[in-house]
Amino acid sequence: QSALTQPASVSGSPGQSITISCTGSRSDVGSYNLVSWYQRDPGKAPKLLIYEVTKRPSGVSNRFSGSKSGNTASLTISGLQAEDEADYYCCSYAGSNTFVFGSGTTVTVL
Amino acid sequence: EVQLVESGGGQVKPGESLRLSCGASGFIFNNYNMHWVRQAPGKGLEWVSSVSTSSSTFYADSVRGRFTISRDNAKSSLYLQLNSLRAEDTAVYYCARYTSTLGASFDYWGQGTLVTVSS
Repeated sequence: QSALTQPASVSGSPGQSITISCTGSRSDVGSYNLVSWYQRDPGKAPKLLIYEVTKRPSGVSNRFSGSKSGNTASLTISGLQAEDEADYYCCSYAGSNTFVFGSGTTVTVL
Repeated sequence: EVQLVESGGGQVKPGESLRLSCGASGFIFNNYNMHWVRQAPGKGLEWVSSVSTSSSTFYADSVRGRFTISRDNAKSSLYLQLNSLRAEDTAVYYCARYTSTLGASFDYWGQGTLVTVSS
């Protein structure tokens, strides 16, 4: 149950697109299309952004999109806005009713 | 409105115990699997444990044998008994509602309760 690997930080200018990677293994990301992404503002509860690799819950901006290739999932934020500054976490089902989260990525809008 | 409110955190010494609670409202508690997730200072989120609607329980290797998750559907409450606490258990503990409707994800989270293990 090793944490999924994410870059510690990613930054971009307003309007740009950024991508956050989430690398796991054949035991988690590579085996299941059950990757989700969460946004966490300081002092707030995490917010679900993406589920099942690519799907957005109702109410989540279409500027957020997800993808997966092999053992690596990715979250792309398009048209970066100041309000997107937050910490982002990926999560994957890891079999046997267990889950594994990513190490987290801090997004900074320059 | 769905709400999850954790309580029970505090500062304890290594080897001591603590019981966390999570009160749920705004949804039919019985119908959802519930999870605990924690975040240690400066670290990422870590899945800790879950309990199904039928009270089957599952644990991360790091806590198995020391933590016990349970639920009381009559009280719409989730619990986590933390025994034999270690310094590395220091973290904010969140309860989260699991949804299979949204592909094995966590759609609602509480604000968290801080557990500090220090001598």
